[in-house]
Amino acid sequence: GESVGLHLPTLSVQEGDNSIINCAYSNSASDYFIWYKQESGKGPQFIIDIRSNMDKRQGQRVTVLLNKTVKHLSLQIAATQPGDSAVYFCAESHTGNQFYFGTGTSLTVIP
Amino acid sequence: DTAVSQTPKYLVTQMGNDKSIKCEQNLGHDTMYWYKQDSKKFLKIMFSYNNKELIINETVPNRFSPKSPDKAHLNLHINSLELGDSAVYFCASSQQGASYEQYFGPGTRLTVT
Repeated sequence: GESVGLHLPTLSVQEGDNSIINCAYSNSASDYFIWYKQESGKGPQFIIDIRSNMDKRQGQRVTVLLNKTVKHLSLQIAATQPGDSAVYFCAESHTGNQFYFGTGTSLTVIP
Repeated sequence: DTAVSQTPKYLVTQMGNDKSIKCEQNLGHDTMYWYKQDSKKFLKIMFSYNNKELIINETVPNRFSPKSPDKAHLNLHINSLELGDSAVYFCASSQQGASYEQYFGPGTRLTVT
């Protein structure tokens, strides 16, 4: 099976600061990665994705960085807001059909 | 309109019972999934159906049987429920193509007593 892990299970940041959530993956054949946000009592929600032919992708206030050499993925959230408090998951795939999720990082934004 | 819906939202039942969870998506997607999320928030894929055909069946006890009557529905039937089946079960759907983004339902919290 796959192994997708996160370095930090919990992260607390001050409102307005930038957040960085890290993820390590083990399958060098993985070519597609997604970050999801899961708020309490809800299903995961897509944030941003990146393919292995890229090393950086930006969205609205979020940036995903991919380092294939060390099999590492990160999600950067700029100007973190209280609404960003949630559990964040990275997921990897090399077929597009099957995704393996990491254990999740709980982000708490302190007002 | 809800894109991916699941019923029921909560399910409390006793060991040994048989129960079903229903999932429907109105996005026109061709692929649907079932995931199990344990108490530590770990999300693990259980099944995947593409156009009503099973394409992924992870190591799941055969007490779990998915059924896809059509592209928009993927139900999960569980026989002889065990304590370890207690978890939140998520249905998801996606459209194979440029993006593999999966849309998740709100989840069904199953508690086996």
